[in-house]
Amino acid sequence: QVQLVESGGGLVQPGGSLRLSCATSGFTFTNYYMAWIRQAPGKGLEWVSHINTAGTATYYPDSLKGRFIISRDNVRDSVDLQMFSLSAEDTAVYFCARITNLPGYYLDYWGQGSQVTVSS
Amino acid sequence: EVVLTQSPGTLSLSPGERATLFCRASQSVTSNKLAWYQQTPGQAPRLLIYDASTRATVIPDRFSGSGSGTDFTLTINRLEPEDFAAYYCQQYGSSPSTFGQGTKLEIK
Repeated sequence: QVQLVESGGGLVQPGGSLRLSCATSGFTFTNYYMAWIRQAPGKGLEWVSHINTAGTATYYPDSLKGRFIISRDNVRDSVDLQMFSLSAEDTAVYFCARITNLPGYYLDYWGQGSQVTVSS
Repeated sequence: EVVLTQSPGTLSLSPGERATLFCRASQSVTSNKLAWYQQTPGQAPRLLIYDASTRATVIPDRFSGSGSGTDFTLTINRLEPEDFAAYYCQQYGSSPSTFGQGTKLEIK
């Protein structure tokens, strides 16, 4: 069955960096775009980034450009999110999700999430 | 960007009743590319509906989606205890993809 397992979250000081990883299994990883979605405490969902199958094209909202970098390893079937210059506003649960390979950017499988807390 | 407004913010119903949740877009959603997700506390969201009205794999037929343009509805018939959760809509017809702020369905 499809599994997505995030790791790498934790407590980081303001201005610090963190790298999240998402290990996947149960599907042909190279056939799917992958995404990171986050959810701040008590808030809704926010699209953070996504990456194409080859790892050659990425997307970030303007608010995160230059601070977050998504990458993927098509040998290890994993996707990473590097985060820099973190602030309290980045505190959230970060979900790794698979983007459907049908037309459209909806998310058909999600991981359980990794908590990132930015605090001194 | 397309702003999605969900209503009501909280819906209080009893098991066995019907729930109707709304998602309104600030502009027409291209090709009705709208999805609904369910999230129980501490869990990952689960895809329920895509393309406004197509149920995802293994989603029971108590769940149905409808609507077009700017107004979309998620209906849950015969509420079961496990249906009490938060629900989010997402549009993916325009970039950036955006989510609504959610509706919390709680037991009355």
